Amino acid sequence: NAGVMQNPRHLVRRRGQEARLRCSPMKGHSHVYWYRQLPEEGLKFMVYLQKENIIDESGMPKERFSAEFPKEGPSILRIQQVVRGDSAAYFCASSPSGDEGGRQPQHFGDGTRLSIL
Amino acid sequence: DQQVKQNSPSLSVQEGRISILNCDYTNSMFDYFLWYKKYPAEGPTFLISISSIKDKNEDGRFTVFLNKSAKHLSLHIVPSQPGDSAVYFCAAVKRGSNYKLTFGKGTLLTVNP
Repeated sequence: NAGVMQNPRHLVRRRGQEARLRCSPMKGHSHVYWYRQLPEEGLKFMVYLQKENIIDESGMPKERFSAEFPKEGPSILRIQQVVRGDSAAYFCASSPSGDEGGRQPQHFGDGTRLSIL
Repeated sequence: DQQVKQNSPSLSVQEGRISILNCDYTNSMFDYFLWYKKYPAEGPTFLISISSIKDKNEDGRFTVFLNKSAKHLSLHIVPSQPGDSAVYFCAAVKRGSNYKLTFGKGTLLTVNP
């Protein structure tokens, strides 16, 4: 499967615990985006990364959330001290480049459903 | 503020007829628009896109129309098939915004056999 791979598909955490969501982009893609979808809402942009660089984190909450895309391995979205409001579907998308005008559409993984007890 | 709006939460059509999904946007800086289709428990799948320099783009059964003056776009599916039943998201990209997508809330399309 050459698509965007996210794991785990489902993650249950208790309030105060940490959640780690992983994303492996499509082969040949070097740009990773994270989006969050709350119930009954559209997807909202969180962060855009390239290898070893955070390019745009304007959609990330200021506290408890962080993201990385190391030289080797998947991109990680980390949520510390989770609260009930963090319950959502988290989607990762990748693209081969950041061509002006978005001529390369982003390809999405199937998401991680995070539930906070 | 909702910069991309899909005002119809749901739409039901008969198989073989045309499905028209609508999307409005408020930000004139958007210059590229995309439609994604999403099945339950799956990620969005890219369908079709259109640049702001065009007013129409067609791909098989799918056609997207853009009316820049009205800040409105629509997705036409002809003929509709039961397998088209899904949530359809309209998304927009602003020039110079790192290509991040701004999504509408989606429209649930149900195609009845």
